[in-house]
Amino acid sequence: DAKTTQPTSMDCAEGRAANLPCNHSTISGNEYVYWYRQIHSQGPQYIIHGLKNNETNEMASLIITEDRKSSTLILPHATLRDTAVYYCIVRVPNTGNQFYFGTGTSLTVIP
Amino acid sequence: KAGVTQTPRYLIKTRGQQVTLSCSPISGHRSVSWYQQTPGQGLQFLFEYFSETQRNKGNFPGRFSGRQFSNSRSEMNVSTLELGDSALYLCASSLIPSSYEQYFGPGTRLTVT
Repeated sequence: DAKTTQPTSMDCAEGRAANLPCNHSTISGNEYVYWYRQIHSQGPQYIIHGLKNNETNEMASLIITEDRKSSTLILPHATLRDTAVYYCIVRVPNTGNQFYFGTGTSLTVIP
Repeated sequence: KAGVTQTPRYLIKTRGQQVTLSCSPISGHRSVSWYQQTPGQGLQFLFEYFSETQRNKGNFPGRFSGRQFSNSRSEMNVSTLELGDSALYLCASSLIPSSYEQYFGPGTRLTVT
C-alpha cells in the first residue's frame, strides 16, 4: 500500500511556481522519497528523489522537512506541459524495483 | 537511444481468452518491471525481472505471469481474461534493480469484452 498522502488536485498559473505537498508520516530512516509524473496517455516519468537533504535538478526541487514526515515538490516556473498527475512515492526498502504509486496529485497549469 | 517499447499498443480480447504483451527495454537495461493501471486502483506493481529471474511479485492472482529473455526483453501473460483485467499495462526498465530511475514505456491498452 502507498505510504503517502497527496491532495487530489491542484491548479497553478502558468509561469508561477507549483508547490506540490506530500505527507509520509510513517517513513522509516532508510526510505527515500521519489517523485514521478504522468502526462496524459504516457508512461510515468522520473522527476527527482531524496533522502533527507533538499535536492534540485533541471526539472524541479525537492524540499524534505527535518523530521522527514513530509516533502514538497517545487516546479519553479510551471508551463502548460507540466499539466500531469504527480506521484510522491516512498520506496519500501529491500523490495527491489517495486514502487508503490498512490493516487497522486492532478496538477493543472492554467494559461 | 531508443526508449522502452511495448507491443501491441492496443488490444481487444474476449473474456476467457489469454493475452501476451511484450516489452523491449532500453538497450543495456537489464531490469524490467510491469505495472497495471486502472482508474479505480491506480498504478499497481505486477512483477519485476532481472537477468531472466523474477525478483518481486505484486499482489495479483496466478493468472498473471511473466518472463524475461536473455536479451532482457520481457513478456507478460494473462490467462482466462476477466472484464476487470481491462487496463493500461506499463513496462518500465532500469539498468539494475533498485534503481531510483525507471523508464516507462507508453503502455499497452487492453480491453476485455
